[in-house]
Amino acid sequence: ILNVEQSPQSLHVQEGDSTNFTCSFPSSNFYALHWYRWETAKSPEALFVMTLNGDEKKKGRISATLNTKEGYSYLYIKGSQPEDSATYLCASYNTGKLIFGQGTTLQVKP
Amino acid sequence: EPEVTQTPSHQVTQMGQEVILRCVPISNHLYFYWYRQILGQKVEFLVSFYNNEISEKSEIFDDQFSVERPDGSNFTLKIRSTKLEDSAMYFCASSEQGMDTGELFFGEGSRLTVL
Repeated sequence: ILNVEQSPQSLHVQEGDSTNFTCSFPSSNFYALHWYRWETAKSPEALFVMTLNGDEKKKGRISATLNTKEGYSYLYIKGSQPEDSATYLCASYNTGKLIFGQGTTLQVKP
Repeated sequence: EPEVTQTPSHQVTQMGQEVILRCVPISNHLYFYWYRQILGQKVEFLVSFYNNEISEKSEIFDDQFSVERPDGSNFTLKIRSTKLEDSAMYFCASSEQGMDTGELFFGEGSRLTVL
């Protein structure tokens, strides 16, 4: 059974703090790793799709790295703002399916 | 900005009834998907659809489920005889490229409650 795990499950930080979360995925038959940002009552919104080992992508204050050999990806948020509060989902594309983790819920306090 | 739209936003049905969930994907996208999330659980892949046929489906997507793109704009998910365990939020998504390279654009979901 293919399993994608994210940690921590939830995170509370102060405005201005930098933070990071982890996504672990099966390294065999790996094709791509997706990150999505999901605000309450909205639809998940794509952040990154990463395919190459060692890949690093950045969008504003958010960046992500990928290690396909050991099966993990980190998502970093620099200088968290209240509007960053959301659930961050990672998903591994493997054997024709996108397998999601359970998400990390970030709460940024002003 | 183009978006994926889903209807209805919430449907309540009796066990054993047929349900159709509708989606309008982004117009130039070629790949279409259904996912679901049972309350408190992970988002689960149901099916992917490309070139007017199912390209991949999960073990959840049994004979009770079917998908259709009847008119070139809508993409529907039909559950023939709903069970209590089908209660979930169902998300439609579309993409320009396949999941190996392309990001998915999700709708806001259709909440299905089976009584």
